[in-house]
Order: sequence, then C-alpha cells, then structure tokens
Amino acid sequence: SQQGEEDPQALSIQEGENATMNCSYKTSINNLQWYRQNSGRGLVHLILIRSNEREKHSGRLRVTLDTSKKSSSLLITASRAADTASYFCATVYSGNTPLVFGKGTRLSVIA
Amino acid sequence: SQTIHQWPATLVQPVGSPLSLECTVEGTSNPNLYWYRQAAGRGLQLLFYSVGIGQISSEVPQNLSASRPQDRQFILSSKKLLLSDSGFYLCAWSVIGGQETQYFGPGTRLLVL
Repeated sequence: SQQGEEDPQALSIQEGENATMNCSYKTSINNLQWYRQNSGRGLVHLILIRSNEREKHSGRLRVTLDTSKKSSSLLITASRAADTASYFCATVYSGNTPLVFGKGTRLSVIA
Repeated sequence: SQTIHQWPATLVQPVGSPLSLECTVEGTSNPNLYWYRQAAGRGLQLLFYSVGIGQISSEVPQNLSASRPQDRQFILSSKKLLLSDSGFYLCAWSVIGGQETQYFGPGTRLLVL
C-alpha cells in the first residue's frame, strides 16, 4: 500500500506545549499535505508542501519534509484546547493519482 | 467562493434498503470529485473519484456505486445496504488534475441496522 503512516496514533499534551506529529511514506511524491478533522466534521486543509520544499510555516504550524527519509513532520506550537482534533497527512504520487491519506494522529490538548 | 454541500447529515437505514447520498459543489467548474468513507476512529478510504461528467473511477469493489450526472453533482448509491456500509461518508472536490488541495463537505453519518 502507498498509504502514509502517521506517528503517534494518539497524543495528549497540556495547553501551551508544542505538539509534533510525523508522517512516513513509501515512494517518491509530488507533494504532501496535512489536514485537520474535528470530531464528526469534514477535513480542513492546513498546509501543502511540495517535493522540492523543505519547510513551510502557517501561523503556529510548521511543516518539514525530508524526501531522503520519506518523512514529514507537523509541529503545532503553543497548543490550545481548540487544536484538539485528528490530523492526517496525505501524499500525492506521480502521475494523475488521487491523494492517499494516512490513518491520522488524534491530538488532545488539555486545558 | 466555493462551497460544497452534502445531504443528508445523518441517516439510519435498515439492512437491504437502498441508499442515495448527494454532493454538490458551487463556485467552480470542472472539479475533480471524490467519495470517501471513514470508519469510526479510522482513516479515510477513497471509494470513487470522477474527473468529469459520467467518468467514474472505483477504488474499492463493493456494493456501492457512484454517478456524476452533472458537472458539480456527485451521487453515491447502493441497491442493498450491508451492515458493513455504516460509517462517515465524505465528499470532496479539487481543481482538475487532482494533485492540489482537496476541499471537504461536512459529511453524512450512515448507520445501517
């Protein structure tokens, strides 16, 4: 399977701490995307990082991509209770193939 | 701006009954359209995607089918539901090409009893 794998499966932290989630994939990619899903809702796109990029920032979010290790990480700084959600990485492989989503990391931020 | 609608939000159906879930997109033309299923606490499973009217690609063989009768309308159907069809169904769209951001609808929670 080409599915990406997030690590850890679940993460619980205190408000104000940083949260780091990792994603590994198996073959060369065109780009990698991170999404957030609040319980019972649709997914919301967070960041897209292309294969020729190494780092991107958006507000309190920082995404890195290491194509040599076939891995990406999502860092949420100064977490808030509202960051509690599941986070998914999704990879785009070559050609016209659709996104392949991982199984997600469930983040709980405790106030 | 673009919006995506799904209905119904929640559905409880008996085993063996038919299913029709509808998804419509506003504010864009020629989108790629997708149907996903998500089991409780699990990741997303791509069921179908469409790059144009009448063009459907099936990712997982099962008793579900999809149709795209209009450019911005995507329908998920079943003739006879199984217990295993229970789950959270998500529709999404992306610009043509399919390698950029996907935009998701609010989802339909289906419970088959």
